[in-house]
Amino acid sequence: AQRVTQPEKLLSVFKGAPVELKCNYSYSGSPELFWYVQYSRQRLQLLLRHISRESIKGFTADLNKGETSFHLKKPFAQEEDSAMYYCALSGYSGAGSYQLTFGKGTKLSVIP
Amino acid sequence: GAGVSQSPSNKVTEKGKDVELRCDPISGHTALYWYRQSLGQGLEFLIYFQGNSAPDKSGLPSDRFSAERTGGSVSTLTIQRTQQEDSAVYLCASRLTTTSGAYEQYFGPGTRLTVT
Repeated sequence: AQRVTQPEKLLSVFKGAPVELKCNYSYSGSPELFWYVQYSRQRLQLLLRHISRESIKGFTADLNKGETSFHLKKPFAQEEDSAMYYCALSGYSGAGSYQLTFGKGTKLSVIP
Repeated sequence: GAGVSQSPSNKVTEKGKDVELRCDPISGHTALYWYRQSLGQGLEFLIYFQGNSAPDKSGLPSDRFSAERTGGSVSTLTIQRTQQEDSAVYLCASRLTTTSGAYEQYFGPGTRLTVT
């Protein structure tokens, strides 16, 4: 079974402060991890995936297999970062089937 | 190109009525997912279709919920005898999967269901 845990439902930070959204996972194989974001009145969209190892909108996330974590980080928060963030895990379950499991989400609020 | 579309965008129904929600995935996407997003509850998995395989229905909350995917494309989520607790935004997503890997999941705009 695969599981994704986002321990914080709500995270408030001041503009310019560092941000870290926590994500821990449970999966027996080699996972593929994603962060999705939902801005107000917009649809859910992909923010980044770990295999790309890229920085999107100043956000980065490193897969730590030892700690089974995939925390999302940004050094200086901006007001436009306020949104709902979901961590997701894709695991291969055989026969060309990929289960995609989401965490419960963390609402990030950046205080001006 | 066209993204995932869902209809209707909003649906208000009386308790006890049946509703059908429609999802048009991106053409060629082999995987289709339904989720429910309730206020303050995050994203709840409902059902997953993968090609011609039997769907994963493990997330459906009760036997009042069912879904079909016809011809490997359009999907319909049906809720029978709706209850007030069914009020939520229902999201559909599609994804391209191949024998060598799976790709980004694309979400539709959702259907906001209100049961009065």
